[in-house]
Amino acid sequence: DTGVSQDPRHKITKRGQNVTFRCDPISEHNRLYWYRQTLGQGPEFLTYFQNEAQLEKSRLLSDRFSAERPKGSFSTLEIQRTEQGDSAMYLCASSLDSSSSYEQYFGPGTRLTVT
Amino acid sequence: GENVEQHPSTLSVQEGDSAVIKCTYSDSASNYFPWYKQELGKRPQLIIDIRSNVGEKKDQRIAVTLNKTAKHFSLHITETQPEDSAVYFCAARRQRNEKLTFGTGTRLTIIP
Repeated sequence: DTGVSQDPRHKITKRGQNVTFRCDPISEHNRLYWYRQTLGQGPEFLTYFQNEAQLEKSRLLSDRFSAERPKGSFSTLEIQRTEQGDSAMYLCASSLDSSSSYEQYFGPGTRLTVT
Repeated sequence: GENVEQHPSTLSVQEGDSAVIKCTYSDSASNYFPWYKQELGKRPQLIIDIRSNVGEKKDQRIAVTLNKTAKHFSLHITETQPEDSAVYFCAARRQRNEKLTFGTGTRLTIIP
């Protein structure tokens, strides 16, 4: 499968625990995005990287959230001291820096449940 | 920031009929408008997109129209089939900004 992959697909954790998700973008894509989707809503932007540089962060991304893309390839999203309100689907997307295509390709998501 | 509104939230259409979903956006600097289809438990997938220098784009049974003056764009699906049943999201992207701002989605059900 040459698409965007995410791991794990499902995560159940207790409130207060830390969790980390991984995203592997399409190999030649230099842009990587994180979105959060709650039930019945569209994806909400969290942050994005161009290569290894984190260029924008949403106000949704509290101090408990941190994202990295250390070598400009895969990315990790960590949530510290999880809260029940963090329960959501976390989607990763990638795109190629091109004037001819703006398409963002989404991964299957990581569904987080905080109990 | 950008705000995207989408209507209707649910839509039921007889198989073979047409479906229309409408979105409005607030930021006149937005210049890219994709539509994503998301089936239950699956990832969002791009079905069609349009840039602000174009008023209409068609791809087989799917078309998108854009009215920059009114700041609204619409998805049109003709000759609907059961496999068109899904949640559809519109989105907008501001010029020189990478993030997509999504609408709240339309759950389309095709009635056989």
